[in-house]
Amino acid sequence: GQQVMQIPQYQHVQEGEDFTTYCNSSTTLSNIQWYKQRPGGHPVFLIQLVKSGEVKKQKRLTFQFGEAKKNSSLHITATQTTDVGTYFCAGFTGNQFYFGTGTSLTVIP
Amino acid sequence: GAVVSQHPSWVICKSGTSVKIECRSLDFQATTMFWYRQFPKQSLMLMATSNEGSKATYEQGVEKDKFLINHASLTLSTLTVTSAHPEDSSFYICSARGQGYSGANVLTFGAGSRLTVL
Repeated sequence: GQQVMQIPQYQHVQEGEDFTTYCNSSTTLSNIQWYKQRPGGHPVFLIQLVKSGEVKKQKRLTFQFGEAKKNSSLHITATQTTDVGTYFCAGFTGNQFYFGTGTSLTVIP
Repeated sequence: GAVVSQHPSWVICKSGTSVKIECRSLDFQATTMFWYRQFPKQSLMLMATSNEGSKATYEQGVEKDKFLINHASLTLSTLTVTSAHPEDSSFYICSARGQGYSGANVLTFGAGSRLTVL
């Protein structure tokens, strides 16, 4: 069945270091979305990528969608303590959302 | 922007009782709502997909008689945990799919409901 894998599961970085999480789908996706869940909170929509090879930026965050529309990445430049949380990718295909396993980011001041 | 209200945020109940959780889309019509369960430090586990006016579609391994879902209107879906037991204690989150501010096919999540069964 459809699977969306995400790595790494956990990441600890020093404040100011960069961070990247990767998302891989077993099948081609219609689009991919990224969500952030702060500790104790609920997932909040960050961005949606639709086109093959698409790259979008939100300040220090860079999102990429692979050419085959089966993988995606989220890169954070110069992490800050406010970046702490779990980042989930969600692949949309066949009228269903498939969430990745999430990457929990800890930023050490 | 799109807002989904989920109530209650916290609930503690005795074993054997039933608990109802409500999920409302406040400023848009949600044709589809999803119910997730999340264990500590884990990903979201889809329990069921709720479509307005029809029966919910449950994921494999989720007991439909245990977790009753009703989507009576385009703005309201409810999840009832029947005869709750301590193993049902978890964080339950709903999400709605609709014409959110970010475009179609984007999920807006409720704040979640933390259920503790004693």
